Amino acid sequence: SQQGEEDPQALSIQEGENATMNCSYKTSINNLQWYRQNSGRGLVHLILIRSNEREKHSGRLRVTLDTSKKSSSLLITASRAADTASYFCATDAWGGSEKLVFGKGTKLTVNP
Amino acid sequence: NAGVTQTPKFQVLKTGQSMTLQCAQDMNHNSMYWYRQDPGMGLRLIYYSASEGTTDKGEVPNGYNVSRLNKREFSLRLESAAPSQTSVYFCASTSRGLYNEQFFGPGTRLTVL
Repeated sequence: SQQGEEDPQALSIQEGENATMNCSYKTSINNLQWYRQNSGRGLVHLILIRSNEREKHSGRLRVTLDTSKKSSSLLITASRAADTASYFCATDAWGGSEKLVFGKGTKLTVNP
Repeated sequence: NAGVTQTPKFQVLKTGQSMTLQCAQDMNHNSMYWYRQDPGMGLRLIYYSASEGTTDKGEVPNGYNVSRLNKREFSLRLESAAPSQTSVYFCASTSRGLYNEQFFGPGTRLTVL
């Protein structure tokens, strides 16, 4: 079964607005990662947050991690049409850090 | 650097046919992975290889075989394709370590009729 579950499944916003996506997972993790997938393309790594971190920033991205609730959120500020993509969280599971388990993704549409 | 490359980009098979999906990386990564992506299912791990000469099953290995030919190449073989194997297949690689960011290829879109 999937480790991570993103919420919402789909999100549609206007350019300039902020987009927030959530991810919940079930077991203890070493780190949590977020990936972006443009239509018809492979996944691209966005950001990684370690289990002992609570918040991390990268450009317009802000990721939070709450290990007590087993949840993470990805915030994209001042969104652009180019941010239109699917976003996936991934966690290392099964006791090792070499395999990732991906959620089903949030499809974000940013309207110009 | 090309990163992770996959061939072919598209393939149509008839039920029962066989084929091999090729993947290569030029980043000197130790670990390589094969995933399939189906609508609404996210990515599911088929097989992975932690190093040359080693492979291990993932979440959905049935109907597939893999070969880690050398450090660069990791192939996925469908011996007798079934319509349930219609999917988009992604190869990925990562260097060993605590923080394992994965690098993905562009994918192979496979249709089994």
